[in-house]
Amino acid sequence: GAVVSQHPSRVICKSGTSVKIECRSLDFQATTMFWYRQFPKQSLMLMATSNEGSKATYEQGVEKDKFLINHASLTLSTLTVTSAHPEDSSFYICSARDQRGSTDTQYFGPGTRLTVL
Amino acid sequence: QKEVEQNSGPLSVPEGAIASLNCTYSDRGSQSFFWYRQYSGKSPELIMSIYSNGDKEDGRFTAQLNKASQYVSLLIRDSQPSDSATYLCGSNSGYALNFGKGTSLLVTP
Repeated sequence: GAVVSQHPSRVICKSGTSVKIECRSLDFQATTMFWYRQFPKQSLMLMATSNEGSKATYEQGVEKDKFLINHASLTLSTLTVTSAHPEDSSFYICSARDQRGSTDTQYFGPGTRLTVL
Repeated sequence: QKEVEQNSGPLSVPEGAIASLNCTYSDRGSQSFFWYRQYSGKSPELIMSIYSNGDKEDGRFTAQLNKASQYVSLLIRDSQPSDSATYLCGSNSGYALNFGKGTSLLVTP
């Protein structure tokens, strides 16, 4: 398999502040990473696709100015939640696309639980 | 619209039985299919991938793919209470995975 890490695993912040979440592919290079959000007892929701060296592609209904994505290297993508509000509290999960050899598989990071007070 | 459909469950099976999880997909262009397991409060973990028609076995898990029927399944033999989780089916038609909403599996002792 492949290993994807996320940092931090848990963050609590005050309303109006910004929070940055890092996603790293540890043992492979990922041209493409994905950011998901999951509310309690609900399914994964794809927020955006992050491409190394280019602008992210956001899903319909996701505010690109609120959820800033930067994919500056082949092993690191960051998601910044700007001016966070309580309704942004959720479980944020990244995944990285592994295209080594003949495979094309996504591996998920462990997730970041964001609580906005 | 590319859709992946799963029965939300819960699917309850006794310990030691075979659990059968099913998934259908709408995009005939999908080339690869995945099963992920997600425990409550955790992120999804890849269990199986399958690319061609037929069966693929890995330990207690068997994935089955029928592209003509646009159907994917996951069999879990000798189910254990630790298998209790939500199982996500994903299809890949070239870029982002399309996920179903997941099937909740409960294995009772």
